[in-house]
Amino acid sequence: AQKITQTQPGMFVQEKEAVTLDCTYDTSDPSYGLFWYKQPSSGEMIFLIYQGSYDQQNATEGRYSLNFQKARKSANLVISASQLGDSAMYFCAMREGFQKLVFGTGTRLLVSP
Amino acid sequence: NAGVTQTPKFQVLKTGQSMTLQCAQDMNHEYMSWYRQDPGMGLRLIHYSVGAGITDQGEVPNGYNVSRSTTEDFPLRLLSAAPSQTSVYFCASSSSLVGELFFGEGSRLTVL
Repeated sequence: AQKITQTQPGMFVQEKEAVTLDCTYDTSDPSYGLFWYKQPSSGEMIFLIYQGSYDQQNATEGRYSLNFQKARKSANLVISASQLGDSAMYFCAMREGFQKLVFGTGTRLLVSP
Repeated sequence: NAGVTQTPKFQVLKTGQSMTLQCAQDMNHEYMSWYRQDPGMGLRLIHYSVGAGITDQGEVPNGYNVSRSTTEDFPLRLLSAAPSQTSVYFCASSSSLVGELFFGEGSRLTVL
């Protein structure tokens, strides 16, 4: 069974609009962490945001926020005010145990002018 | 700001050849790991280390060896390359057991 599911292979958004990238996860461990990484066409992996399973509030980092719904096991990434430079692959990942990340298959975001 | 440095960035091998992908970090991170990325898939964990002298297997360890003799370095060895090992390899490090991973720029390996 998939531990991290990203159901949107591709998403389109216009510049300055907000976009939500979906991520659902599956774990029976009460302690886990959820990450989002951005991979631009140049190939590097850029950390965006982190949510711990015990965190009471949704994580935010600038224009990025993580909509964490624990009961639904979802950890959607919200990008507000999209910019052209946001065009990239976005990966959701879950930490299993210590420092072992399981990644989803990614969502390709294209921001149009 | 070097961060996590991987070498080489590109490599072409013939089936059966051996090679080592180098990974070095200058952040004094205890935790290091290797992932591979294949088309249409997310990254998958090959091996990881929680400190010098300590390594363990990840999800896809077959065909790869690692060692961790220093905090800074975590090389990945392919003993006898196979076409199935054609991939992009990422090294990552972290300062804590549960925090974010910092990734290197990746190494693209092609096995013919």
